[in-house]
Amino acid sequence: QQQVKQSPQSLIVQKGGISIINCAYENTAFDYFPWYQQFPGKGPALLIAIRPDVSEKKEGRFTISFNKSAKQFSLHIMDSQPGDSATYFCAASKGSARQLTFGSGTQLTVLP
Amino acid sequence: DGGITQSPKYLFRKEGQNVTLSCEQNLNHDAMYWYRQDPGQGLRLIYYSQIVNDFQKGDIAEGYSVSREKKESFPLTVTSAQKNPTAFYLCASSIASNNEQYFGPGTRLTVT
Repeated sequence: QQQVKQSPQSLIVQKGGISIINCAYENTAFDYFPWYQQFPGKGPALLIAIRPDVSEKKEGRFTISFNKSAKQFSLHIMDSQPGDSATYFCAASKGSARQLTFGSGTQLTVLP
Repeated sequence: DGGITQSPKYLFRKEGQNVTLSCEQNLNHDAMYWYRQDPGQGLRLIYYSQIVNDFQKGDIAEGYSVSREKKESFPLTVTSAQKNPTAFYLCASSIASNNEQYFGPGTRLTVT
């Protein structure tokens, strides 16, 4: 049972554009939602994370929007740059259990 | 220079052999995790450990074994019972009080 569904599978954006990646979850007990960025052959790096007590969190060009009632959260990358080209994963965890459930990933390509 | 190290970066084994992947961290993190990543897929949890001498199975533990004799080390053994061991293996760690997981660079295992 896939508990975190991520879309789109791949995304192509022009330099300077906005990249939007969406995730939906099923388990209402989830209370921590991070996004990871992974370059080919490397381990994922924590990008930004949110908890359900806020609807939005912004760090630089990266913003998480969270909709608790819809059980959805999304990553927005403003002013996308070719260096942002990577695979992005959303994830979720619940309570004291620290294991993360990951989405299937979105391969982002930013064209120069 | 703090971080998580995984060795080796590439590992080749013949079918039927057990192989052990190394994961070491000097972040003084309490919890450690092993994930498996297959092409075009998200990360799946194999095992995790929240304290020394204790560990729990993740979603895909069959054919794998771990030990946690020291806080900084969490080796993963891929046994001959694992039916499809070729994959990219990622180790992560986190502190006890939050869910922020930090990943190592990964080991790519190829079994032929």
